[in-house]
Amino acid sequence: DAKTTQPNSMESNEEEPVHLPCNHSTISGTDYIHWYRQLPSQGPEYVIHGLTSNVNNRMASLAIAEDRKSSTLILHRATLRDAAVYYCILRRGTYKYIFGTGTRLKVLA
Amino acid sequence: GAVVSQHPSWVICKSGTSVKIECRSLDFQATTMFWYRQFPKQSLMLMATSNEGSKATYEQGVEKDKFLINHASLTLSTLTVTSAHPEDSSFYICSARDPIGQEAFFGQGTRLTVV
Repeated sequence: DAKTTQPNSMESNEEEPVHLPCNHSTISGTDYIHWYRQLPSQGPEYVIHGLTSNVNNRMASLAIAEDRKSSTLILHRATLRDAAVYYCILRRGTYKYIFGTGTRLKVLA
Repeated sequence: GAVVSQHPSWVICKSGTSVKIECRSLDFQATTMFWYRQFPKQSLMLMATSNEGSKATYEQGVEKDKFLINHASLTLSTLTVTSAHPEDSSFYICSARDPIGQEAFFGQGTRLTVV
């Protein structure tokens, strides 16, 4: 399975945008990029996913580099409830996810 | 959206006993479910793939005789931790694919504490 690399932690001020980066230099053409987040003592929650084009939904936006070797999850206005560990995962066919270490996002009031 | 539910949310058991954790897909059928384990401050680690009507597929290093998986119906997979020991204390999480979308949904997790 292709590997993803994310910063261990990031901080953001409340109400400001947050850009969470993910590197996946060994991505293959059929790998989907999925983002999940996990709040303390809960299971992961789906955020967004994409293949080649940028994607928007009510939770976030996903910007995918033209060469697909990196992507960025964008939270447009961070709130205290967005404090979580964010995981970037590559999915190749199966929904058997291999989780990396993720990015712990801290939102400052 | 699709909902995956686990039961119980937390359980405390004595060392040497067995504990069963249930994972249900509430509004869809799931031929395949996945079981993960997460230790404190660590990421999720895939344990096994649960297949409806057939044997589970275990990841390398996971003892199949210790972690018994049964997927007897299209909406229920169970994970039984047999002869539990304190080192089995962990957060166990299951997931299943949303048959309509292209994402997997996760249960809320089960916190197992073995004393």
